[in-house]
Amino acid sequence: GAGVSQTPSNKVTEKGKYVELRCDPISGHTALYWYRQSLGQGPEFLIYFQGTGAADDSGLPNDRFFAVRPEGSVSTLKIQRTERGDSAVYLCASSLGAPSTINYGYTFGSGTRLTVV
Amino acid sequence: GQNIDQPTEMTATEGAIVQINCTYQTSGFNGLFWYQQHAGEAPTFLSYNVLDGLEEKGRFSSFLSRSKGYSYLLLKELQMKDSASYLCAVRDIGNTPLVFGKGTRLSVIA
Repeated sequence: GAGVSQTPSNKVTEKGKYVELRCDPISGHTALYWYRQSLGQGPEFLIYFQGTGAADDSGLPNDRFFAVRPEGSVSTLKIQRTERGDSAVYLCASSLGAPSTINYGYTFGSGTRLTVV
Repeated sequence: GQNIDQPTEMTATEGAIVQINCTYQTSGFNGLFWYQQHAGEAPTFLSYNVLDGLEEKGRFSSFLSRSKGYSYLLLKELQMKDSASYLCAVRDIGNTPLVFGKGTRLSVIA
């Protein structure tokens, strides 16, 4: 697609429920990143995919968080047993090449605002 | 690890010039990026510096000093639409994703 698409744009869920957040990157972009942004803070890195594999998942806060990218394009971030502290905007970004090669920044999607009540 | 520091908030007058500073401490360095983020929207790329010096792009310029671990974003001829958060992000060596600072919220007033 023309840009990075994230769905849903807003998600309200009850504490303890499972949620899936979807990211459709720019066509042809091999690298895909998930970040989380709380109010008044900068984006916090979660996980980065190069192709189908997770190249760096060091930012995932705990084992309730998991992400997949089975065909090297669309990615899904999965959160189990949601907690109120998971409430944030989840941003997805993509880039044409690996992080070390780019000099034009990532292209971000508009994010999914997750609210856990 | 990486530590990125920038002021939380700044206010400037329409038509003026404002400089937003960013200091960083990283184990390795392979580039510094500036992003603009309007409230409720996605961050958008503004500039990239990997060598020391000034990069100019229209009303926006970005400066880097690697020895000082310091960068600034300079915005000239401020417009009301420049009211936004400005995020400084650093890339370490290797294929490591960008690490972002907390952002500086700029308010442009008449």
